[in-house]
Amino acid sequence: AQKVTQAQTEISVVEKEDVTLDCVYETRDTTYYLFWYKQPPSGELVFLIRRNSFDEQNEISGRYSWNFQKSTSSFNFTITASQVVDSAVYFCALTYGQNFVFGPGTRLSVLP
Amino acid sequence: EAQVTQNPRYLITVTGKKLTVTCSQNMNHEYMSWYRQDPGLGLRQIYYSMNVEVTDKGDVPEGYKVSRKEKRNFPLILESPSPNQTSLYFCASSLRSSPYEQYFGPGTRLTVT
Repeated sequence: AQKVTQAQTEISVVEKEDVTLDCVYETRDTTYYLFWYKQPPSGELVFLIRRNSFDEQNEISGRYSWNFQKSTSSFNFTITASQVVDSAVYFCALTYGQNFVFGPGTRLSVLP
Repeated sequence: EAQVTQNPRYLITVTGKKLTVTCSQNMNHEYMSWYRQDPGLGLRQIYYSMNVEVTDKGDVPEGYKVSRKEKRNFPLILESPSPNQTSLYFCASSLRSSPYEQYFGPGTRLTVT
């Protein structure tokens, strides 16, 4: 079965700390895509990144970076020098064929 | 402006009273999908549609119906709502299915009493 696990339910950090959000997935497919979405307190869902199963290069976008390790079925997300505006629920998602499976989300609180 | 719209945004109803939540996108996307979000469970896919007149079940389709008669619209129908369908519902669209990212609507908060 396809499954996404985000073991950290809630994380609190102080502004400027680095924080890593974990994502572990299960799939039998050899071709799949992984995503991260952000849901700020306002409630909308914002796309952050997509990664395909054949591309294990890590990616950096400003303060955000992603570490994809196929060997451990993980796709972790790191925020460097966190800011209060990073406070949100973050979802990791897996797509296989036409279906999407989301993890339960990690609520990140960045305190000033 | 490219967007996905949902109506209504908030709805309180009673058990058994049929309701429809509308979803519309103006991006000419082929793929549309409905999700429900519940605390601790993340988003769970209810139904999706690959194109007009093509729909299929997601992970939690029981108690829901959908239709895709036009490319831009993908309504979610609850023919006999029950309290366990109280949830936050999101519609999403993407150019096609995998691997494209989805654009989400603003959400519809439904309460069934």
